[in-house]
Amino acid sequence: DAGVTQSPTHLIKTRGQQVTLRCSPKSGHDTVSWYQQALGQGPQFIFQYYEEEERQRGNFPDRFSGHQFPNYSSELNVNALLLGDSALYLCASSLGRGGRNEQFFGPGTRLTVL
Amino acid sequence: GQNIDQPTEMTATEGAIVQINCTYQTSGFNGLFWYQQHAGEAPTFLSYNVLDGLEEKGRFSSFLSRSKGYSYLLLKELQMKDSASYLCAVRASLYNQGGKLIFGQGTELSVKP
Repeated sequence: DAGVTQSPTHLIKTRGQQVTLRCSPKSGHDTVSWYQQALGQGPQFIFQYYEEEERQRGNFPDRFSGHQFPNYSSELNVNALLLGDSALYLCASSLGRGGRNEQFFGPGTRLTVL
Repeated sequence: GQNIDQPTEMTATEGAIVQINCTYQTSGFNGLFWYQQHAGEAPTFLSYNVLDGLEEKGRFSSFLSRSKGYSYLLLKELQMKDSASYLCAVRASLYNQGGKLIFGQGTELSVKP
C-alpha cells in the first residue's frame, strides 16, 4: 500500500521564478491538503482540494495556487518566488467524508529560494 | 483568532515519563491530533481526541479537555528514538469533512541517556 508521495525531494530556485510541486495521495484517499513548514515552526495550512476543487484556503497570497486531478493527485504552484518562500512543503492526504479524517503526510519537498 | 501553544523544548531521561502540554483557542473544534516529526522527515500520526478524556495507545497516551482548551501527550518508558518534535494540531472545521489542521510550533523533545 503506497503512502503519500511527493516530488521533487529538493528544489533550488531564484527569486522571481515559478515552481510546481507534485503530490500523489495514499491509496483510497480523495482529499489533498498542502502545508508550508518553515524551519523550527509547525506546518501552516495553505489549501485543501477535494473533488478537484479548492475547499479551504489559509492565509497565503494568490501567488500560491493549486490543482487536483481526476486521479486525486495534486500540484502546488508558486509564482514570483520570494526568499521567504524557502521552506519544507508538505502534502497530506485524507478521506473527504466520514471518520476522523486523519491526515497522512508525505516526505515533503524542500524548496530553497536564492 | 486561532492560537495553539505548546512548550518550545523539553528534556527527559531515558526510561522516564514526560508530559507535553498543548492549549488552544480556535473558532471551532472538531478534533485534536498529535504528530511526531523527526528532523528532516514528515510528521507521523500519534493520536486523536475528539471527546474529553484519555486515549491510550501503547507507550503513548493523549488527554483532552474541551472546556479548558487543553490537551497533553504522555510518553512512558522513554527511548532515545523518541527524541523528536511533537506537534499538536486542532481541526477547526465545524463539519467532519476533512478540514484544515492548525498546528502549534512543536515541542522539541530531547531524551538523554
